[in-house]
Amino acid sequence: GAGVSQSPSNKVTEKGKDVELRCDPISGHTALYWYRQSLGQGLEFLIYFQGNSAPDKSGLPSDRFSAERTGGSVSTLTIQRTQQEDSAVYLCASSLGGLSTDTQYFGPGTRLTVL
Amino acid sequence: GNSVTQMEGPVTLSEEAFLTINCTYTATGYPSLFWYVQYPGEGLQLLLKATKADDKGSNKGFEATYRKETTSFHLEKGSVQVSDSAVYFCALSEWQAGTALIFGKGTTLSVSS
Repeated sequence: GAGVSQSPSNKVTEKGKDVELRCDPISGHTALYWYRQSLGQGLEFLIYFQGNSAPDKSGLPSDRFSAERTGGSVSTLTIQRTQQEDSAVYLCASSLGGLSTDTQYFGPGTRLTVL
Repeated sequence: GNSVTQMEGPVTLSEEAFLTINCTYTATGYPSLFWYVQYPGEGLQLLLKATKADDKGSNKGFEATYRKETTSFHLEKGSVQVSDSAVYFCALSEWQAGTALIFGKGTTLSVSS
């Protein structure tokens, strides 16, 4: 079946602009996670959704970052007033039920470059 | 807080050599442990996992055993191939700390023929 998809695959923006990144999880997966991968920081957790609610937002680095999930499916990560340090690959993952034992399936990522 | 430490790379091996990548963890409870792999130009994919102490995860000739007494989850393969060249990430998930994955920094493996 279809895996996790993300769009766009690449995004180049200017400092100070807002960007939206989209994630389509595997159908039927109730849990959705956002991570980012950068050379300096490795793989970092950003936010976790169970259904449409976000019980864990502890990884969002600043109030410029926000995310929502609608219909228990698609999620959008928004970064306002982008900074150069926001440049990274943003990864989305989904799992069946959000249990710690569940496998998280990752999308291909969105590479964000802030000029 | 919870954390994962894995050996620094890069690891460079000849084909058919034995591979070990060390991984140790710190957790407050009883985490599930994972190895993810990222092949060049591809996304992260699960290699294997273990969800309780003494479990052994295995896949594609790779193995790792969940050792609670040493808080370790070392990855091993008896005979590596060029196609195993990739970045390997050890990770944990624990419900008491949220179920997000906490990753090690990754180990780059390069296998030459």
